[in-house]
Amino acid sequence: GQNIDQPTEMTATEGAIVQINCTYQTSGFNGLFWYQQHAGEAPTFLSYNVLDGLEEKGRFSSFLSRSKGYSYLLLKELQMKDSASYLCAVRDQAGGAGNMLTFGGGTRLMVKP
Amino acid sequence: DVKVTQSSRYLVKRTGEKVFLECVQDMDHENMFWYRQDPGLGLRLIYFSYDVKMKEKGDIPEGYSVSREKKERFSLILESASTNQTSMYLCASSLGRGPYQETQYFGPGTRLLVL
Repeated sequence: GQNIDQPTEMTATEGAIVQINCTYQTSGFNGLFWYQQHAGEAPTFLSYNVLDGLEEKGRFSSFLSRSKGYSYLLLKELQMKDSASYLCAVRDQAGGAGNMLTFGGGTRLMVKP
Repeated sequence: DVKVTQSSRYLVKRTGEKVFLECVQDMDHENMFWYRQDPGLGLRLIYFSYDVKMKEKGDIPEGYSVSREKKERFSLILESASTNQTSMYLCASSLGRGPYQETQYFGPGTRLLVL
């Protein structure tokens, strides 16, 4: 089974940096995804980590430590449009024929002026 | 760009009705998924399919069935809708297996209200 934890809500200021943490306890592991979801819209893919370390994509970076069961999403130079929910999802290695993801509850980020 | 479409954005049905939610993807993806999303519970997997006519139960399949007769289309069926099935339903697809092919792309969602 999978257990994925992330904070429910965070608030940050425009122009600042924010780090959203995700911890997981899984029976297997084969990759971790971060998605962004604006209110009333579908989740959109942000990043994928399967090896330890930092992956950078513009203002967004994602970090993974498999030994610690830990990931974070780092958002730099925050903009108002970054206000959204951020979903952490783990790929279960035991997924066999499919590639099931288990999602955390999401972190709702509010960016204030 | 990957495009995943769902037949309705909003749907209102009555208890006991049979409900069909349709999902179509246009990128020849092997895998397709149905989730429901509820406040405080996050995204939960109902069913997924890794090939035509193949299906696998997810975490919460009770009260649902699925059909995949063509590769591009994955249908979710509520045999007899109940009020506890009021939710946002999200369809997703992914290319195949292996790193970077497993990224799931989501449709816009169907908000279903069962009265």
